[in-house]
Amino acid sequence: ETGVTQTPRHLVMGMTNKKSLKCEQHLGHNAMYWYKQSAKKPLELMFVYNFKEQTENNSVPSRFSPECPNSSHLFLHLHTLQPEDSALYLCASSTRGLADGNEQFFGPGTRLTVL
Amino acid sequence: SQELEQSPQSLIVQEGKNLTINCTSSKTLYGLYWYKQKYGEGLIFLMMLQKGGEEKSHEKITAKLDEKKQQSSLHITASQPSHAGIYLCGADIRTYKYIFGTGTRLKVLA
Repeated sequence: ETGVTQTPRHLVMGMTNKKSLKCEQHLGHNAMYWYKQSAKKPLELMFVYNFKEQTENNSVPSRFSPECPNSSHLFLHLHTLQPEDSALYLCASSTRGLADGNEQFFGPGTRLTVL
Repeated sequence: SQELEQSPQSLIVQEGKNLTINCTSSKTLYGLYWYKQKYGEGLIFLMMLQKGGEEKSHEKITAKLDEKKQQSSLHITASQPSHAGIYLCGADIRTYKYIFGTGTRLKVLA
């Protein structure tokens, strides 16, 4: 138990569906992240929020839309996804944003399958 | 090529054996983090290294960052089945970019 929870743990959706992934951290951290983990590829940073402000968007397609209503919650809204978007989506949090000496704590992930 | 290379990609060892996993960067590492991941689950933070030559240990796992801060090694002594999983290194490379290696998949045979 890392103090970061994600729901749902598994999600299967069609290409025309709209769904949302939720992440919650109970660590009092100020930064939250979304990562995508595909088979045999490095973990890819998607979005970073620091004090509820988006500070990074790593050229992520607009079919992924993040939302951070407060420092404890992070959402990833999904619409018109493609089969290649199937992956494990990991949420993480840290005390500060991307900076030195700032380890991240990860949630268990949401395994997404797009049919 | 990857910015952060891990080797080997996979490793199978007999229980009780020692093993080493390497993480190499072409850029100076300003923070190097080791994580362990069980298949399909989140990452568990193991250790963080920042200073060249720094070495940290936790139980039977030791990690070191070389003097030039471009390579780190993770060493497991007397491996156990509980050590099995995917080991990932992550790094700050001072462009406010946090990158990860592709991981090393470890299997320990009882």
